[in-house]
Amino acid sequence: GAGVSQSPSNKVTEKGKDVELRCDPISGHTALYWYRQRLGQGLEFLIYFQGNSAPDKSGLPSDRFSAERTGESVSTLTIQRTQQEDSAVYLCASSLGIGGADTQYFGPGTRLTVL
Amino acid sequence: AQKITQTQPGMFVQEKEAVTLDCTYDTSDPSYGLFWYKQPSSGEMIFLIYQGSYDQQNATEGRYSLNFQKARKSANLVISASQLGDSAMYFCAMRELIRTGANSKLTFGKGITLSVRP
Repeated sequence: GAGVSQSPSNKVTEKGKDVELRCDPISGHTALYWYRQRLGQGLEFLIYFQGNSAPDKSGLPSDRFSAERTGESVSTLTIQRTQQEDSAVYLCASSLGIGGADTQYFGPGTRLTVL
Repeated sequence: AQKITQTQPGMFVQEKEAVTLDCTYDTSDPSYGLFWYKQPSSGEMIFLIYQGSYDQQNATEGRYSLNFQKARKSANLVISASQLGDSAMYFCAMRELIRTGANSKLTFGKGITLSVRP
């Protein structure tokens, strides 16, 4: 079946503009995660959805970052008033949400460049 | 808080030989899961193998095996019979296993670059 998809694959924006990043999880996966990966670094957790609610938003770096999920499917990560330090690859993952050995499957990411 | 440490510099291995990628972790959670992911130059994160903290046996998946030493808090990945396509970044990650069935985030290490030489 189809994997996790993300759009756009690349986004170049000017400092101060808002951007929206989209994630389509694997069908039937109730859990959805957003991570950020800066160049040469590991992944940093941003936010986790179970269904349409977000029980863990602890990784959002500032109030410029927000995310929502609708229909227990698509999620959008919004960054307002982008800054150069927001430049990174934003990765989305989904899982069955059953706990235990539940594995997260990742999308190809959106590479964000803030000029 | 959970922490993953991957300190090896770039690793090199000859094709068809085995290689071990090190991972140590720190957590106060009694129940946790350990994961390894591969990230080729294309950027996608590919799940390789999982080990639960209460699993009695070391996990194996094809050419991948996990050398889990709970007392030492290490979860090293062993790749046997290396192939050119194994050249990539490898990330160790862990997650608390909450008994209620809810999920939780993955905490990642900084990764190790593996280069396979022909």
